[in-house]
Amino acid sequence: GAGVSQSPSNKVTEKGKDVELRCDPISGHTALYWYRQSLGQGLEFLIYFQGNSAPDKSGLPSDRFSAERTGGSVSTLTIQRTQQEDSAVYLCASSLAQGRAGELFFGEGSRLTVL
Amino acid sequence: SQQGEEDPQALSIQEGENATMNCSYKTSINNLQWYRQNSGRGLVHLILIRSNEREKHSGRLRVTLDTSKKSSSLLITASRAADTASYFCATVDNQAGTALIFGKGTTLSVSS
Repeated sequence: GAGVSQSPSNKVTEKGKDVELRCDPISGHTALYWYRQSLGQGLEFLIYFQGNSAPDKSGLPSDRFSAERTGGSVSTLTIQRTQQEDSAVYLCASSLAQGRAGELFFGEGSRLTVL
Repeated sequence: SQQGEEDPQALSIQEGENATMNCSYKTSINNLQWYRQNSGRGLVHLILIRSNEREKHSGRLRVTLDTSKKSSSLLITASRAADTASYFCATVDNQAGTALIFGKGTTLSVSS
């Protein structure tokens, strides 16, 4: 596609349920990032992929959070046993740059609400 | 961890006025980037300034970088109502990081 695509755009779930958020990056972009943005806050880094490997997953807040990337393309962020504090907008970004600090292209985000 | 911190947190101006936002960071960097976010949307890249550059222009945007003070500023000249958005600076820690770390942003409101 022309841009980074994320789905679902909105997800409401009950506390304790698992959720999966999907990111489809720009074709050919080898770097992929997940960030989390709580209401009125800045972006919190979660995980970085280069190809299918994740050299930096230091931002994942707990072991309930995991992510994978397959075929150097689509990535899925999974949150197990969701808690109310997981409510946020989850943003995915991709970059053509090998390594760090290139220009990021963001998707529109997946808004997660945990009741 | 917080790498960039924007100042002010919020800024309200009239159309036609200039808007200046500042960013301070903590470590040595390779480059510094500014992004814009309209309400409820994703972020859009505005401009990248490398650590060996001091000033860069793009249309109505002017970015400066002072590595000795670990600070940057974003100037929007002749602002328009459509410039209303949140603006974030982002950097990568040369020593430790692999990902862009964003500040909390400056919320700019331009009224007509």
